[in-house]
Amino acid sequence: DQQVKQNSPSLSVQEGRISILNCDYTNSMFDYFLWYKKYPAEGPTFLISISSIKDKNEDGRFTVFLNKSAKHLSLHIVPSQPGDSAVYFCAAKGGSEKLVFGKGTKLTVNP
Amino acid sequence: GAVVSQHPSRVICKSGTSVKIECRSLDFQATTMFWYRQFPKQSLMLMATSNEGSKATYEQGVEKDKFLINHASLTLSTLTVTSAHPEDSSFYICSALSTNTEAFFGQGTRLTVV
Repeated sequence: DQQVKQNSPSLSVQEGRISILNCDYTNSMFDYFLWYKKYPAEGPTFLISISSIKDKNEDGRFTVFLNKSAKHLSLHIVPSQPGDSAVYFCAAKGGSEKLVFGKGTKLTVNP
Repeated sequence: GAVVSQHPSRVICKSGTSVKIECRSLDFQATTMFWYRQFPKQSLMLMATSNEGSKATYEQGVEKDKFLINHASLTLSTLTVTSAHPEDSSFYICSALSTNTEAFFGQGTRLTVV
């Protein structure tokens, strides 16, 4: 049973436009959500997080939105840059320290 | 930000031999570290949770006698793949938990068993 779902395996956007990456979860016990960025053959790097007590967290070009009633979160990147091209993982945790990852979305930003 | 160093980044070994992968938190103490495995085009799968000074907790389906985890200090956890076989070839990633609930990842280790 996949508790964290990223239904779009890939996304392609034009440089300068907005990238929106989506993530859905099923476990209502999750109370902390994170986004990681991963380049090929490298470990994921932390990007941004949000606690369940918030519905929005912004850090520079990156904004994460959380809709608890819909069990949905999204990552917005504005404006998108070619260097943002990577695989983005959504992760969630609740109670224990274990992180549950989605399968990732490959973002390609075209110049 | 916090730094987690994983070594080696790439290793090729013969079938039947053992390989040790190290994961170090360089500027913070990590009582809890995690070991993940990533297959091509798949998500990161948690293999085990490593707790300093105690036995690791393995996820269902992960052979604890094959993937030996030792977390001897607050800054070092090791994963030893024993009697490696070609099907163990994968990308292994460690993660260390900092005090502010963020997990920082190592660079990953590409293991190829020939």
